[in-house]
Amino acid sequence: QKEVEQNSGPLSVPEGAIASLNCTYSDRGSQSFFWYRQYSGKSPELIMFIYSNGDKEDGRFTAQLNKASQYVSLLIRDSQPSDSATYLCAVKADYGQNFVFGPGTRLSVLP
Amino acid sequence: EAQVTQNPRYLITVTGKKLTVTCSQNMNHEYMSWYRQDPGLGLRQIYYSMNVEVTDKGDVPEGYKVSRKEKRNFPLILESPSPNQTSLYFCASSPRLATDTQYFGPGTRLTVL
Repeated sequence: QKEVEQNSGPLSVPEGAIASLNCTYSDRGSQSFFWYRQYSGKSPELIMFIYSNGDKEDGRFTAQLNKASQYVSLLIRDSQPSDSATYLCAVKADYGQNFVFGPGTRLSVLP
Repeated sequence: EAQVTQNPRYLITVTGKKLTVTCSQNMNHEYMSWYRQDPGLGLRQIYYSMNVEVTDKGDVPEGYKVSRKEKRNFPLILESPSPNQTSLYFCASSPRLATDTQYFGPGTRLTVL
């Protein structure tokens, strides 16, 4: 059974700080990794995806992937109260179109 | 406006009464998928479809059926709903050459009594 694990939180950070969200996965065949943001009562929206080991930056967001450790993280710099949401980690194996999501981490950015 | 629509948005039903949740997208996407979201479990994929008449099981297909007769529509069918299918359901779509970029519908909250 493929699994994706995340700390459920809530993770609380002050406004302007760096928020660090972590995710581990069990399937070594996973090739694609995603971070989604979900506001309460809304549908998930894609923030970033990463395929290769290392860092990928997009504005205030940085995704980090370490396939050897089966670990992917999301850093949010200069956190804003509008970043308060649940962040979902998802992985996909190269051989199919089956996405596996983690339970999500709830982030609270305090003004 | 490019979007994924789901109907109904809210549904309360009773055990055993067949129901269908519709999903439609106007972006000409080949890939469509159904998920359920439960507290503490996150999103779990039920079924997905790579194109018309092509469907495949996700992680939790038991108790569900799907069909893909047209590219734009991907209905989710519960032939005999049970209380353990009470959940929040999301439909998603993406282009064939960018299946990693999924666009989610607004969700359908289903309660089975």
